[in-house]
This record gives sequence, C-alpha cells and structure tokens, in this order.
Amino acid sequence: EAEVAQSPRYKITEKSQAVAFWCDPISGHATLYWYRQILGQGPELLVQFQDESVVDDSQLPKDRFSAERLKGVDSTLKIQPAELGDSAMYLCASSPTNTEAFFGQGTRLTVV
Amino acid sequence: LAKTTQPISMDSYEGQEVNITCSHNNIATNDYITWYQQFPSQGPRFIIQGYKTKVTNEVASLFIPADRKSSTLSLPRVSLSDTAVYYCLVGGFINAGNNRKLIWGLGTSLGVNP
Repeated sequence: EAEVAQSPRYKITEKSQAVAFWCDPISGHATLYWYRQILGQGPELLVQFQDESVVDDSQLPKDRFSAERLKGVDSTLKIQPAELGDSAMYLCASSPTNTEAFFGQGTRLTVV
Repeated sequence: LAKTTQPISMDSYEGQEVNITCSHNNIATNDYITWYQQFPSQGPRFIIQGYKTKVTNEVASLFIPADRKSSTLSLPRVSLSDTAVYYCLVGGFINAGNNRKLIWGLGTSLGVNP
C-alpha cells in the first residue's frame, strides 16, 4: 500500500537554528498538506499545495516558516530560526482529487 | 469555518459497540463529513467519509441524519487496539469548488478496557 513518506522521524534542534522537514506524497496526489500538531491538540493546517501552487498558507508563520513543492511532487517545510514553541509533530498529508487525505508518520520536533 | 463538537473522552469494553456523536450545526450544502483515527506518535488515519444517510465500510459505520447537523461514528465490537483519538471533520475540497477548510478539533479520546 502506498504511503506518504516523511523524514526525519525525530529531530532535536537548538533554539535559533534552522531545521527542515521533507515529505514525499503518494504518487499522483495533486494536493499536499503540512500540519502542525501540538501534544493533546488536533492538527493545525500550516500550508496546502495544489500541484506546485500554494492554495492556503494563512496559518503559516511566514516570518520564520517557509514551504515549497518544486515540480509539484515532494515538499520541504523549513523553520528558521526555530523557537521553543515550535516543538510539535509536523505532519504531511496528500490526497488525490476530491477524496480524503492520507497522512505520513510525522516528524517529531523538539527545540531545546 | 466548519466547527465540530464531540465528547472529549469515552470509555468502553472489549466486544462492545461504540458510538461517537459529532455535532456540526453550520455544515454547508457541499460539505462532507470525515472521521479519522489517530494513535500516539502516528499520523491520523482515515476511517470513513459520508455526505448523507448511512455509509459502512469494513471498520465502521457513519450515520448522518437528514438535517446533517450531526453524525455518529459507530465502531462495532471494539478491541483494545481501537484505543485512540477519533476526529470528526466537516468541510469540502477545493477541486469540488468548495474551499471550506477542514478544522481539526480536540477529538474524542476512546479508551477500550479488557
């Protein structure tokens, strides 16, 4: 069964450092999402891509976060500089047209 | 934004049927209702999706009344491995001309006891 691949699985970084997460969606899925999930809460959408275009980044803290999906396939989410409050699970998901999203295992980020 | 309300937690026993109800009073005409399951330290997993009446798959059933202002996820004969958080979401898909964002609430934490 095809899966959304994310790496790394875990990341520990120091405050003010840069950190990046990578996501490879299920082949053929045009829509890609990045979510942030703080422990005990539901996922919060950071950015949504349709192919290579951003369709929603209203909740993305653009002063420190950036996301790209070159060629409309895999995607990278970057944080620079990282802050203590960025500690969370970062989830990537993808979906084909008009159906549900499939999630990856996530990247657990700890900022120290 | 399509807001949902569901119980924070529920407890059950192995072998019992569990029903989790979600209210979504401001559901729009072209919104779908989607349920996800999430285990600790894993990404959410799709369970079931519906628009109206009843939908059934190999793991669950989804009951949606005519007014669509609520929905009930039914898990038949739960086991210990069904212990997880269950999220109810309401929204649409941009490709279907509906860009109402899916909002994730706190979900329902289901505990299944032996």
